[in-house]
Amino acid sequence: DSGVTQTPKHLITATGQRVTLRCSPRSGDLSVYWYQQSLDQGLQFLIHYYNGEERAKGNILERFSAQQFPDLHSELNLSSLELGDSALYFCASSVNGADGYTFGSGTRLTVV
Amino acid sequence: GESVGLHLPTLSVQEGDNSIINCAYSNSASDYFIWYKQESGKGPQFIIDIRSNMDKRQGQRVTVLLNKTVKHLSLQIAATQPGDSAVYFCAEGEGAQKLVFGQGTRLTINP
Repeated sequence: DSGVTQTPKHLITATGQRVTLRCSPRSGDLSVYWYQQSLDQGLQFLIHYYNGEERAKGNILERFSAQQFPDLHSELNLSSLELGDSALYFCASSVNGADGYTFGSGTRLTVV
Repeated sequence: GESVGLHLPTLSVQEGDNSIINCAYSNSASDYFIWYKQESGKGPQFIIDIRSNMDKRQGQRVTVLLNKTVKHLSLQIAATQPGDSAVYFCAEGEGAQKLVFGQGTRLTINP
């Protein structure tokens, strides 16, 4: 157990729907990162939050949004889902955003 | 644009041999590099990192080498064991704010 908790582990939903993925960082970590991993794209950085504030944005679609709450957990919202959104979504956390981070076990999203 | 790539998508080694996984990067401004190991069904697991003010760093059975002149990063695993079988990713970034990952190399250990 890495200490980073992601729920749910698996999610199957239909095209056009909206889902929310949840991440609880390791105790004491202020930074949360979201990554998407698909077969043809590898690990793609989506977004980084530090202590509730957005710090960096990657190739995150406008249909996707995220936030980090006062208790430091984070949610990634995916809307108007398309088949191509099927992927593993990983959350990672770190203490200060300046060092390597710890990944959770991911949420496998399947859009049908 | 920025890119991180791997020379070999797959690598097979004999158990007990040393493994070397290579990685090229293109962003000269990158000052932080990291290797992750990902086993099937699990999230990436931190192995070792290195900052640009160093050219070598050692951990337990692993060594990372950084050659900034040719923008090359390598991971050496000593005395490879069956448990080392996984996909290995290198990543680079300016700090750890926005790591860019390579496609990964699958390491297979032959008995």
